[in-house]
Amino acid sequence: QQQVKQSPQSLIVQKGGISIINCAYENTAFDYFPWYQQFPGKGPALLIAIRPDVSEKKEGRFTISFNKSAKQFSLHIMDSQPGDSATYFCAVSKAAGNKLTFGGGTRVLVKP
Amino acid sequence: SQTIHQWPATLVQPVGSPLSLECTVEGTSNPNLYWYRQAAGRGLQLLFYSVGIGQISSEVPQNLSASRPQDRQFILSSKKLLLSDSGFYLCAWKPGDFNTQYFGPGTRLTVL
Repeated sequence: QQQVKQSPQSLIVQKGGISIINCAYENTAFDYFPWYQQFPGKGPALLIAIRPDVSEKKEGRFTISFNKSAKQFSLHIMDSQPGDSATYFCAVSKAAGNKLTFGGGTRVLVKP
Repeated sequence: SQTIHQWPATLVQPVGSPLSLECTVEGTSNPNLYWYRQAAGRGLQLLFYSVGIGQISSEVPQNLSASRPQDRQFILSSKKLLLSDSGFYLCAWKPGDFNTQYFGPGTRLTVL
């Protein structure tokens, strides 16, 4: 059973555009929702994370929007730059949980 | 500050040979430790995790094993490699009381 569904699998956006990646989950016990960024040949790095007590969190050009009732959260990359070209993974975790469950990943290509 | 190391960075091994990958974390104590595998262009598959010395939880049955001989050392092993063991192996750690996992640089394993 796939606990986290991430879409789209790939995304092409023009420089300066907005990249939007969506994740949906099933288990309402999840309460930690991070996004990771991975460049080719590197380990994933934490980009931004949110907990369900807020509906939005912004860090620079990256914003997480969280819809608790719909059990969905999304990553918005504003003013996308070629350096943002990477694979992005969403993940979920339970309170004080030991494991993260990852989405399948989205490959983002920002064209100059 | 905390640092995670993995070695070797790359490895080419023949089918049927043994494997030993090492991961160490600096600057923290009693971390949770994780081994993931990532096939080319794919998502992150959790293989093993450990909440303490000698405590190993296996997520996927296979010909791999893990050990934690010291608090900040995590080892991934195999007695006989298969072609399907090729991939990008990632070690991660997290503080015991928090959800965020931090990934190492990874080991690229090619089994020929």
